[in-house]
Amino acid sequence: RKEVEQDPGPFNVPEGATVAFNCTYSNSASQSFFWYRQDCRKEPKLLMSVYSSGNEDGRFTAQLNRASQYISLLIRDSKLSDSATYLCVVNSETGRRALTFGSGTRLQVQP
Amino acid sequence: DGGITQSPKYLFRKEGQNVTLSCEQNLNHDAMYWYRQDPGQGLRLIYYSQIVNDFQKGDIAEGYSVSREKKESFPLTVTSAQKNPTAFYLCASSMVGGDQPQHFGDGTRLSIL
Repeated sequence: RKEVEQDPGPFNVPEGATVAFNCTYSNSASQSFFWYRQDCRKEPKLLMSVYSSGNEDGRFTAQLNRASQYISLLIRDSKLSDSATYLCVVNSETGRRALTFGSGTRLQVQP
Repeated sequence: DGGITQSPKYLFRKEGQNVTLSCEQNLNHDAMYWYRQDPGQGLRLIYYSQIVNDFQKGDIAEGYSVSREKKESFPLTVTSAQKNPTAFYLCASSMVGGDQPQHFGDGTRLSIL
């Protein structure tokens, strides 16, 4: 089983739609969680950290469910510029301080 | 402007040749990382370093080597032992601490001639 799993998509949605991505992680000792955005042929960029109580940044909402070991990202009022691959990232405290990246979920927002 | 600079942006390697990818950061981060990304796939960790003069192997270290002689610099050498080096290479840095996000350079694309 992969340490971090995501539905690869693509998710094709119209502008203005609300879309949600889920991500599951296998290590119950994981402590830190992030969502990154990666545009085609570019480097990943931090979108937001995910906190235990859930957090919101404008149109983006992140949730963490430790009991079920999943993280979600909700995007409201999708824009064309939201089209990208969204990477779920987990810090697994297995004696090394490096992040584990999911393979990403591709979002395509259609006009 | 603080950031991470990778060079070159594109690199071509001949069979049997070693090549070195540069990564420099002026964010005063202690930790630096090298990842490899293949088309349509996620990032895989090659090497990482938490402090100067120390580094650890990641998941796919075979055929690669690194050094960390300065805090700002973490060069990656792709040796001739790496039989499938064609990929997008990403360098990242962060503050030390499990809750710290990583910040990336804009990558180097390596191809075989």
